[in-house]
Amino acid sequence: AQTVTQSQPEMSVQEAETVTLSCTYDTSESDYYLFWYKQPPSRQMILVIRQEAYKQQNATENRFSVNFQKAAKSFSLKISDSQLGDAAMYFCAYREGSNYQLIWGAGTKLIIKP
Amino acid sequence: EAGVAQSPRYKIIEKRQSVAFWCNPISGHATLYWYQQILGQGPKLLIQFQNNGVVDDSQLPKDRFSAERLKGVDSTLKIQPAKLEDSAVYLCASSLSAVRGGNEQFFGPGTRLTVL
Repeated sequence: AQTVTQSQPEMSVQEAETVTLSCTYDTSESDYYLFWYKQPPSRQMILVIRQEAYKQQNATENRFSVNFQKAAKSFSLKISDSQLGDAAMYFCAYREGSNYQLIWGAGTKLIIKP
Repeated sequence: EAGVAQSPRYKIIEKRQSVAFWCNPISGHATLYWYQQILGQGPKLLIQFQNNGVVDDSQLPKDRFSAERLKGVDSTLKIQPAKLEDSAVYLCASSLSAVRGGNEQFFGPGTRLTVL
């Protein structure tokens, strides 16, 4: 069965610095998608970034970028120039190409120090 | 574009009581999901609808949980009777379709349920 592991329950970073959140997954599939979702204290879950497994190029969305290592089954999220509004729980999620269900990690709480 | 709406935002009940949650997905979204998120954990899918049909309810505790999506739009999730372990945030999400393509799921604000 597919699993998603986030080994860092909590991370903290100084405002304006860069932080990397880790995610590893286990799958035997070749066609899948990976996601990073952000859940601020208000609880509304929003999509931060998405990566298609067949794409070699790492996805980037403004200050957010991923390091997708397919062979190592690693999918880390890098946040550059951290801002106070980035404080939230970050969840890594996996979905097979032919399936609909998201498999979620346990989340990493990101704290931004002013 | 209006997002996914949920109500109520908070609910406190005694164990063995009943409770219902309501979700209105984004207009035009065929797929609707109900998740249970226990504090400190990632969301767990309870049930998924495609239009008004159930696609997956394998993790729904059917002895006490029920859900419906009449007319393929709004949905309600009911718990009867509630147990202490049902205390969680119940998230509703919707997407254009569940077909191949990694369609993004859009989430509502959630309902925080506390069972005393």
